Amino acid sequence: EDQVTQSPEALRLQEGESSSLNCSYTVSGLRGLFWYRQDPGKGPEFLFTLYSAGEEKEKERLKATLTKKESFLHITAPKPEDSATYLCAVRPLKAAGNKLTFGGGTRVLVKP
Amino acid sequence: EPEVTQTPSHQVTQMGQEVILRCVPISNHLYFYWYRQILGQKVEFLVSFYNNEISEKSEIFDDQFSVERPDGSNFTLKIRSTKLEDSAMYFCASRESGSTGELFFGEGSRLTVL
Repeated sequence: EDQVTQSPEALRLQEGESSSLNCSYTVSGLRGLFWYRQDPGKGPEFLFTLYSAGEEKEKERLKATLTKKESFLHITAPKPEDSATYLCAVRPLKAAGNKLTFGGGTRVLVKP
Repeated sequence: EPEVTQTPSHQVTQMGQEVILRCVPISNHLYFYWYRQILGQKVEFLVSFYNNEISEKSEIFDDQFSVERPDGSNFTLKIRSTKLEDSAMYFCASRESGSTGELFFGEGSRLTVL
């Protein structure tokens, strides 16, 4: 069974204090790993797709990396507007309908 | 920027009542999905839909659930006889043909079953 575990569950940062979020996954063949941002009461907002170990993607203060067992989302010099829940999801090779399996998310709070 | 729109934003219903949640996917997208998120829990896959038929469904998506694309723009989720445990945020998502998985989600419909 495909599993996605995210840590930590919650993270409090001072503005400018860089940190990393972890996403560990178990999947029978990975088609893609996805990072989403979710604001309270809203739907997930797509950030990145990673396909193979060693791949990296960047967007503003966010950088996602991928190994064979985990992915990291690095937040560099965060600002209060980066406060959100960050979700990791995997799409297995065998998923006919593009089913994504999500982790529980990391709630990030950036204080000014 | 194109977006997925969902209605209603919040619905309160009595246990046993039928509910229809509506979604308008992004216009050039061909793959449609419903996910749900019970308060404080993970986002869970319900069903995927392509070419007017279900392509995959989860164990949650039992006989009380159904999906339909009644016209060229709407995509609906029907819950025939709601239960207390159906209370959740329901997200519609869509994907364009040729992409490898980026789903675009709507803002969600919060369903409260009393």
